Amino acid sequence: DSGVTQTPKHLITATGQRVTLRCSPRSGDLSVYWYQQSLDQGLQFLIHYYNGEERAKGNILERFSAQQFPDLHSELNLSSLELGDSALYFCASSLPGAWNGYTFGSGTRLTVV
Amino acid sequence: QKEVEQDPGPLSVPEGAIVSLNCTYSNSAFQYFMWYRQYSRKGPELLMYTYSSGNKEDGRFTAQVDKSSKYISLFIRDSQPSDSATYLCAMSGGNAGNMLTFGGGTRLMVKP
Repeated sequence: DSGVTQTPKHLITATGQRVTLRCSPRSGDLSVYWYQQSLDQGLQFLIHYYNGEERAKGNILERFSAQQFPDLHSELNLSSLELGDSALYFCASSLPGAWNGYTFGSGTRLTVV
Repeated sequence: QKEVEQDPGPLSVPEGAIVSLNCTYSNSAFQYFMWYRQYSRKGPELLMYTYSSGNKEDGRFTAQVDKSSKYISLFIRDSQPSDSATYLCAMSGGNAGNMLTFGGGTRLMVKP
């Protein structure tokens, strides 16, 4: 167990629907990162939150949004889902201050049918 | 062209072999270099990280960074079947800040 908790582990939904993925970071970590992993694109950075504030955006679609709450858990909202959104979505967290690596959760496998 | 290139493999070796995994990159601002191991359907696990150029050793694993060539390597000595996984290089720094840019991963299979 890495200490980063992601729920649900699996999600199957239809095109056009909206889903919410949840992440609880490791205790003491203030930063949360979301990544998407698909077979053809590898791990792609989506968004970074630090202590409740958005810090950086990557290749995140406008249909996707995220937030980090006061208790530091984060949610990634995916709407108007398309078949191509099927992927593994990972959350990672890290300590504040000096860079020392991310700890990844076990991911949410999203299948859009 | 991707910022970080990694041979996808698969790389198949016999148990006990020395494995060499490599990545090349184009962004000269990268300063932090990492290797992650990912087992099937699991999250990536940080193996090693190095800052700037040089070597770092941890048990059977050695990471090398050559910034002048924009080339990083991970060596695994005495490889074991349990080392069978996908190995991802990642890097950050400069304008990217703490954002990690990953290679596509190399799938390694160590046969008993």
